[in-house]
Amino acid sequence: DTEVTQTPKHLVMGMTNKKSLKCEQHMGHRAMYWYKQKAKKPPELMFVYSYEKLSINESVPSRFSPECPNSSLLNLHLHALQPEDSALYLCASSKTGREAFFGQGTRLTVV
Amino acid sequence: RKEVEQDPGPFNVPEGATVAFNCTYSNSASQSFFWYRQDCRKEPKLLMSVYSSGNEDGRFTAQLNRASQYISLLIRDSKLSDSATYLCVPGGGGSQGNLIFGKGTKLSVKP
Repeated sequence: DTEVTQTPKHLVMGMTNKKSLKCEQHMGHRAMYWYKQKAKKPPELMFVYSYEKLSINESVPSRFSPECPNSSLLNLHLHALQPEDSALYLCASSKTGREAFFGQGTRLTVV
Repeated sequence: RKEVEQDPGPFNVPEGATVAFNCTYSNSASQSFFWYRQDCRKEPKLLMSVYSSGNEDGRFTAQLNRASQYISLLIRDSKLSDSATYLCVPGGGGSQGNLIFGKGTKLSVKP
């Protein structure tokens, strides 16, 4: 089973809203990732968690706040986003140093 | 030098053609390498992993040249269903595993 589940699949939020994206995997992977992808661009790494600890933050604005409550779950809390933050947000997981498997993504629109 | 550089696309080829993509990477500590394919508005899906000098899976062959820091992907007997964007991902050195994507190469296979 190589499944990574993301919810919701689609999200529309206002600039003053607070929302959360959720990601779950049960493959025993100890590395989990958040990526942002704009149209016709490659996925852009935002955060990496390794063994539930934040190991990489690619200079992401503080309006994006990641959380890893346990080894199977990864959240991305969103607050005061801008319209330019509209994108596909992808979660992935992997064994350390191995290939990553992606969820289907959350298509976010900020209005 | 950018972390990952890929052949500019798009590649437009007829069915049955052989096509090759190259990818160069800057992190000499990378131990593992991955090729993903991504269809329009879908998540990246793992196509091939490379941990030594190369890998072959049916019509797909990946070759790694560590001295020159590039990895190639060869697709033989192209099918219409191979039309997608192909993304190169060198695995990060060490245990952190930050996976940085190349910009991708778009392949369009025509009848």
